[in-house]
Amino acid sequence: DIQMTQSPASLSASVGDRVTITCRASQSISSNLNWYQQKAGKVPKLLIFGASSFQIGVPSRFTGSGSGTDFSLTISSLQPEDFATYYCQQSYSTPWTFGQGTKVEI
Amino acid sequence: QVQLQESGPGLVKPSETLSLTCTVSGAPINSYYWSWIRQPPGKGLEWIGYIYYSVRTNYNPSLKSRATISVDTSKNQFSLKLTSVTAADTAVYYCARETLNGDYLWFDPWGQGTLVTVSP
Repeated sequence: DIQMTQSPASLSASVGDRVTITCRASQSISSNLNWYQQKAGKVPKLLIFGASSFQIGVPSRFTGSGSGTDFSLTISSLQPEDFATYYCQQSYSTPWTFGQGTKVEI
Repeated sequence: QVQLQESGPGLVKPSETLSLTCTVSGAPINSYYWSWIRQPPGKGLEWIGYIYYSVRTNYNPSLKSRATISVDTSKNQFSLKLTSVTAADTAVYYCARETLNGDYLWFDPWGQGTLVTVSP
């Protein structure tokens, strides 16, 4: 199985801050990396697919980058509605696996 | 607009079989890959498995062959059965569509999720 490791596990930030979450795969996954946002008690929502492509309707302040084993999700200016847990997920080979999540708190 | 809705018992006894159904609207069940994903309370996401066109399935080996996914094309539904459950199987269970675009695949949309608790 491909292990996905996110860092940090949690972070505290303020509205307007630039925030970066990293995700590392245990082997190369090319650009087969997705990012999801999950608010408390809600369904995960796709933000980014293919490491850097936006899902329709996702604000442009969210940017994904990386390939191979190292990836990042950057929020350029944190908004109140961005406080949530973020998960990376590899779609290179089954079993599809997720990172453990990064909780972004105020 | 594609919508998914999970249904099934919210409480299952240890050693019994968990059975859930996902009803799909807005897309033909035989044209896509459909997955089950679960999330224990306060924890991360775990992919359980997928089904495609009623016959192609793929499961997470971590479940040690306890999971079975099937399709009912007449009802546009797919189902999950998980045998010999323990407390560790307590989780919110989501159904989701695997969307493919060229070389890339992702989960979207998702159902609302249903909490299944394993308890005597």
